[in-house]
Amino acid sequence: SQQGEEDPQALSIQEGENATMNCSYKTSINNLQWYRQNSGRGLVHLILIRSNEREKHSGRLRVTLDTSKKSSSLLITASRAADTASYFCATDANGNKLVFGAGTILRVKS
Amino acid sequence: DTAVSQTPKYLVTQMGNDKSIKCEQNLGHDTMYWYKQDSKKFLKIMFSYNNKELIINETVPNRFSPKSPDKAHLNLHINSLELGDSAVYFCASSQWDRTNYGYTFGSGTRLTVV
Repeated sequence: SQQGEEDPQALSIQEGENATMNCSYKTSINNLQWYRQNSGRGLVHLILIRSNEREKHSGRLRVTLDTSKKSSSLLITASRAADTASYFCATDANGNKLVFGAGTILRVKS
Repeated sequence: DTAVSQTPKYLVTQMGNDKSIKCEQNLGHDTMYWYKQDSKKFLKIMFSYNNKELIINETVPNRFSPKSPDKAHLNLHINSLELGDSAVYFCASSQWDRTNYGYTFGSGTRLTVV
């Protein structure tokens, strides 16, 4: 079964608004990663947060990790039409592999 | 320039045929992977190789056979293709030490079995 569950499944916002996506997972992890997938394209690595970190920033992205709740969130601030994509969380739990969540489809309307 | 390249990008073939997908990375990574993305966008690992050695074989039918001639290449051969094999197959690579680094994915091969 999938390690991560993402919420919401789909999100539609206006350009300039913030978008928040959540991810929950089941087992202990080494790190949690977020990826973006544009329609018909491969996955692009956005950000990695280690299990001993609680928050990380990269440009307009902010990721939080709560290992006690086994959950993470990705915040995209000041969204742009180009942010329209699917976003996946993925966990690395020492199993030599990334296990992906089901993804959140983000649509940013201009 | 392309970090992880897969060929072909599209593959349409009939049931029962045998086909191969090739993957090459020029990042100097020592670990490579094959992932399958189904029609609902679920991504599931199939195989992982580290320095040409098979590390993960995730209960994939033995019609699927990966081959890693060197650590920069990981090919996927599929025998006796079935309708259910239709999906997008992604190759990826990473450093073995994944504490600080994510994966780099190829752009995918869309396989359609008719």
